[in-house]
Amino acid sequence: NAGVTQTPKFRVLKTGQSMTLLCAQDMNHEYMYWYRQDPGMGLRLIHYSVGEGTTAKGEVPDGYNVSRLKKQNFLLGLESAAPSQTSVYFCASSYEGISGTFGSGTRLTVV
Amino acid sequence: GQQLNQSPQSMFIQEGEDVSMNCTSSSIFNTWLWYKQDPGEGPVLLIALYKAGELTSNGRLTAQFGITRKDSFLNISASIPSDVGIYFCAGRMDYRDNYGQNFVFGPGTRLSVLP
Repeated sequence: NAGVTQTPKFRVLKTGQSMTLLCAQDMNHEYMYWYRQDPGMGLRLIHYSVGEGTTAKGEVPDGYNVSRLKKQNFLLGLESAAPSQTSVYFCASSYEGISGTFGSGTRLTVV
Repeated sequence: GQQLNQSPQSMFIQEGEDVSMNCTSSSIFNTWLWYKQDPGEGPVLLIALYKAGELTSNGRLTAQFGITRKDSFLNISASIPSDVGIYFCAGRMDYRDNYGQNFVFGPGTRLSVLP
């Protein structure tokens, strides 16, 4: 019972580099979300998806892009990483939109 | 944007003690959630509350939806070492938030349990 799997778990990027974070869920959930978690702050929603082929902006979307080509996968991309994007990124999925099952996170450092 | 405040920020307690923490908002919320996050893991939902005054339990955990609808409380009875972690609250103001995209998260209360 994998639930929500995030890869990679850790990554260090240089400023200006690009990368893609992968989120995969095996629960057949329609809704998927990407959050970032910063010290002293609550989780903030970056982007979300309400179904295959759909995406929408959350509270802090700037500097990120997402794609949901398959129902089970939700990709988060950073085209040109900045130090301000150093954070822990969490993916979540849900079927009812009330609460999600979270992955274990990706710790990203941009130097 | 809307922010939630959680109190206390951190707490150290002895094993066996009861714990109380709260979450407050400047706006009226219609749903409150409480999560626990273990080190290196993602948050896990503990309790969901949907009505003012509602009191809901999950084992040794009890949460309440405040009467003013601007706060919520979480109590843990007879704490044990595995209760260590960060406890987050989350809330939303709008029932029309059909996809869960409008939940606001608090900064968390870090709980340490001393044996």
